[in-house]
Amino acid sequence: KAGVTQTPRYLIKTRGQQVTLSCSPISGHRSVSWYQQTPGQGLQFLFEYFSETQRNKGNFPGRFSGRQFSNSRSEMNVSTLELGDSALYLCASSSSGESGNTIYFGEGSWLTVV
Amino acid sequence: GENVEQHPSTLSVQEGDSAVIKCTYSDSASNYFPWYKQELGKRPQLIIDIRSNVGEKKDQRIAVTLNKTAKHFSLHITETQPEDSAVYFCAASIQGLLTGGGNKLTFGTGTQLKVEL
Repeated sequence: KAGVTQTPRYLIKTRGQQVTLSCSPISGHRSVSWYQQTPGQGLQFLFEYFSETQRNKGNFPGRFSGRQFSNSRSEMNVSTLELGDSALYLCASSSSGESGNTIYFGEGSWLTVV
Repeated sequence: GENVEQHPSTLSVQEGDSAVIKCTYSDSASNYFPWYKQELGKRPQLIIDIRSNVGEKKDQRIAVTLNKTAKHFSLHITETQPEDSAVYFCAASIQGLLTGGGNKLTFGTGTQLKVEL
């Protein structure tokens, strides 16, 4: 069974640009969450999608957005990039959210903003 | 919202010794507590988890204990090996469709474990 797949793995963007990251969850999983990991702030929750609906949202500005498609694949977008957005963006997938669900992470997308 | 504190931030042990990492959480509704191991440049990998209806769980050299009353949980690694060297993160979550909890994980700040030969 394939794991959580994220693309692209590495990318460099310029301040002011926007970026779209993609995540394919484990087959059968309907919940996709996104996290930002930085040395200073650690692992922070961005948002979660379940059945194409945003179910939870973290404390990030509106420049950070996401969506989920009918096949459970998800994308996140960051607009008007800032230097501080440089981070590892991790996608996690899980079955549903009922008690008993394990959450698995993808390898992440390394974003550098210059 | 939920807040998770993790200690220590760094831990150095001799090979074969035990290592203990402790976390406390603030939201008494949290019911799922996973531990992740992250090696440099790699994704967090789940190593063990515990749910609020259980007080202890073991998997070979790894164990986790949960004290719901005190709102803290701990990771215990016995007979440490050099390959255990990594950053370990604890996390807490409220799971359950009825509560609308979903799969939001609140992470601790991580513990850099170094196992020395």
